[in-house]
Amino acid sequence: DAGVIQSPRHEVTEMGQEVTLRCKPISGHNSLFWYRQTMMRGLELLIYFNNNVPIDDSGMPEDRFSAKMPNASFSTLKIQPSEPRDSAVYFCASRVRSTGELFFGEGSRLTVL
Amino acid sequence: AQTVTQSQPEMSVQEAETVTLSCTYDTSESDYYLFWYKQPPSRQMILVIRQEAYKQQNATENRFSVNFQKAAKSFSLKISDSQLGDAAMYFCAYRSPSGGGADGLTFGKGTHLIIQP
Repeated sequence: DAGVIQSPRHEVTEMGQEVTLRCKPISGHNSLFWYRQTMMRGLELLIYFNNNVPIDDSGMPEDRFSAKMPNASFSTLKIQPSEPRDSAVYFCASRVRSTGELFFGEGSRLTVL
Repeated sequence: AQTVTQSQPEMSVQEAETVTLSCTYDTSESDYYLFWYKQPPSRQMILVIRQEAYKQQNATENRFSVNFQKAAKSFSLKISDSQLGDAAMYFCAYRSPSGGGADGLTFGKGTHLIIQP
């Protein structure tokens, strides 16, 4: 079975540009999570969806960040405009609600110059 | 809010030896889940082991086992017969079963495990 698929794997962009990160969760998983990982702050939960509905976005740093899940097999995390402090690895993860553990994608490493 | 603390930023062990990684957490709940994840240099987060708080028996997965002390809110990971492939960052994580704003995992800062050949 395919795992969680994220793209792009690496993204280098300039400050002020729009960045879109994409995620395809594991088929049949009804919860999707976006995490950000930095050396300073570790793994932070940004937002999560249950059955395509955003449940908690309190971790989203500011209005420059937005996330959507138009259907059960696709989600995006958008940063507009991007800033150097957004440089991090962004993980998408999905879960069958009953089991508890998250299945992670390989992450998208974002560098904002 | 729940917090997860990993007090060892880095640990080193000789190949074939046993190493224990520490994790403590803070919660007021009685039922919850605990996990250990491994993150090798490839960056992929891989589930190593999970423990339900209502189970008294410590979870075991091959060379990996946990020492779950509920009263002490401690959840350490023991790796036996360490192998070079075990070298990675290890993250302890907590999940509340109550859903709502706590439905994601709360992670510790991680322990970097080095395996000496």
